Amino acid sequence: SQTIHQWPATLVQPVGSPLSLECTVEGTSNPNLYWYRQAAGRGLQLLFYSVGIGQISSEVPQNLSASRPQDRQFILSSKKLLLSDSGFYLCAWSVLAGAHEQYFGPGTRLTVT
Amino acid sequence: QQQVKQSPQSLIVQKGGISIINCAYENTAFDYFPWYQQFPGKGPALLIAIRPDVSEKKEGRFTISFNKSAKQFSLHIMDSQPGDSATYFCAASMETNFGNEKLTFGTGTRLTIIP
Repeated sequence: SQTIHQWPATLVQPVGSPLSLECTVEGTSNPNLYWYRQAAGRGLQLLFYSVGIGQISSEVPQNLSASRPQDRQFILSSKKLLLSDSGFYLCAWSVLAGAHEQYFGPGTRLTVT
Repeated sequence: QQQVKQSPQSLIVQKGGISIINCAYENTAFDYFPWYQQFPGKGPALLIAIRPDVSEKKEGRFTISFNKSAKQFSLHIMDSQPGDSATYFCAASMETNFGNEKLTFGTGTRLTIIP
């Protein structure tokens, strides 16, 4: 069966510090991968998605970037965090070819102080 | 631009009652409409989904009703139980230029079932 991991689970970082969040998927090959952010009490906003190694599509211009160095690894980064980057970051995956269903990881709670 | 509007923001229902959450969309390119359930501190879990060529889909106590002409869909939870207390998100999916699907979410409904 497929499993999606995210780490760390929680993170407190000062303004101006760098960020690296990691997501990995097990049990499937060539997944589509997604990064979402959920602000407190709000819906999920799609940040990035990737359909293959090295391919990244950005949905919202902002202080963040994403990379996919391996087939089942997706990384969310920032060079300098802003207060507004605080939130709950969720990684999701779907089957590569035309599947609509997306499955979410457990999330990372980021607090920028 | 809010492409999927969800209401109500919060909902309190008595145990055994029917919970109803409504969503409306604007973009006719959407081709799949899932509902997700999220418990505090957890990632959302896919609950039930429907395609626009179907007017209703039922899975256990959960039913989606879909009105294509009105561009509206709703989630009905029958015989609501305290364990159903969670935040529910509707979403709409469309295909990207790369052939995958991307989701646009509603703002969520916090459902509380009281004994």
